[in-house]
Amino acid sequence: KQEVTQIPAALSVPEGENLVLNCSFTDSAIYNLQWFRQDPGKGLTSLLLIQSSQREQTSGRLNASLDKSSGRSTLYIAASQPGDSATYLCASHGSGNTGKLIFGQGTTLQVKP
Amino acid sequence: EAGVAQSPRYKIIEKRQSVAFWCNPISGHATLYWYQQILGQGPKLLIQFQNNGVVDDSQLPKDRFSAERLKGVDSTLKIQPAKLEDSAVYLCASSLVADEQYFGPGTRLTVT
Repeated sequence: KQEVTQIPAALSVPEGENLVLNCSFTDSAIYNLQWFRQDPGKGLTSLLLIQSSQREQTSGRLNASLDKSSGRSTLYIAASQPGDSATYLCASHGSGNTGKLIFGQGTTLQVKP
Repeated sequence: EAGVAQSPRYKIIEKRQSVAFWCNPISGHATLYWYQQILGQGPKLLIQFQNNGVVDDSQLPKDRFSAERLKGVDSTLKIQPAKLEDSAVYLCASSLVADEQYFGPGTRLTVT
């Protein structure tokens, strides 16, 4: 059974700092891994999707990596801004590509001006 | 392109009452998902539809929760009777088949 873990649960950094959010999963036979952003009281916004054959994806200041052998993914945010403050969730698409997402608990990021 | 629509956005009910949520997926998306997100946790899949059929409902509490997807488009999720532990955000998502999912704004349910 796939389990996804995100540590730490909360993170506070000063504006401008580069930071890394961590995600680990127990079953290396994942199909895809997806990173989401969730603002308070809102739904989920997809940030990056890494297919199992890929090692990383980039979008603007965001870079996500995937290491299936170690069961880890990281989300790198460059030059953080107060507008990046939100909860970041990673989710594993199960093996066999059933579509089902298994989520971590999320990391709540606060970027201080 | 319109996103996933959900209503209502907020609902407050007393325990043992019933409640229903509605979701309209992105046009053309065959797969529709309902997730439950309890405060401080990641979303958990309740049920997945492929067109009209149920693909996965293994984590749906079937004694009180039910869901349907009529004509392969809109979907409703019902809770009857509600319990205090059902207080959560209910998220609907859709995808073309089983790929990248797009989420609606969610319905925040409070059971008192």
